[in-house]
Amino acid sequence: KAGVTQTPRYLIKTRGQQVTLSCSPISGHRSVSWYQQTPGQGLQFLFEYFSETQRNKGNFPGRFSGRQFSNSRSEMNVSTLELGDSALYLCASSLQRGFKNIQYFGAGTRLSVL
Amino acid sequence: SQELEQSPQSLIVQEGKNLTINCTSSKTLYGLYWYKQKYGEGLIFLMMLQKGGEEKSHEKITAKLDEKKQQSSLHITASQPSHAGIYLCGAGAGGTSYGKLTFGQGTILTVHP
Repeated sequence: KAGVTQTPRYLIKTRGQQVTLSCSPISGHRSVSWYQQTPGQGLQFLFEYFSETQRNKGNFPGRFSGRQFSNSRSEMNVSTLELGDSALYLCASSLQRGFKNIQYFGAGTRLSVL
Repeated sequence: SQELEQSPQSLIVQEGKNLTINCTSSKTLYGLYWYKQKYGEGLIFLMMLQKGGEEKSHEKITAKLDEKKQQSSLHITASQPSHAGIYLCGAGAGGTSYGKLTFGQGTILTVHP
């Protein structure tokens, strides 16, 4: 079974631009969560989608948004990029059987904002 | 909101030595997850603990969740260079927060051959 796939792996943007990151979950997984990882703040939860609906949201500004498609693939978008948005963005998918919610992570997208 | 504190923040050991990493939660844990990360890469799932007193092992790594469900420890026996990386503990908030995990700051492990 293929793992979680994130594209692209690396991205360089300039301030003010917008960016879209993509995540393909493990086949059969309906939940997709997004995280931002930085040296200063560590790993922080952005949002989670389940069956095309945003179910949970972290404390990030509205510039960060996402969506999920009917095949469970997910995208996240960051508009009006700021220098502080430079980070490793990780996506995770899970099967969600009761309280057992093991999340499997992709390799991440490294975003650099210049 | 729930906070997880890991200790130590970094650890340097000689190959063959045993080591322990701790994870303490500010609230009761509803599922504690241990992950390993190579720098700049994704997280690899190691183990999940749910019940107080639970202990799980995988190869030379053992994780325990204390009875009060607010602390977990990860123990590596006879460490090898392949164990090097960043170890992160993550916890679910329970209730409807299924897809949201809160993570500790991570413990950087270096193993010298």
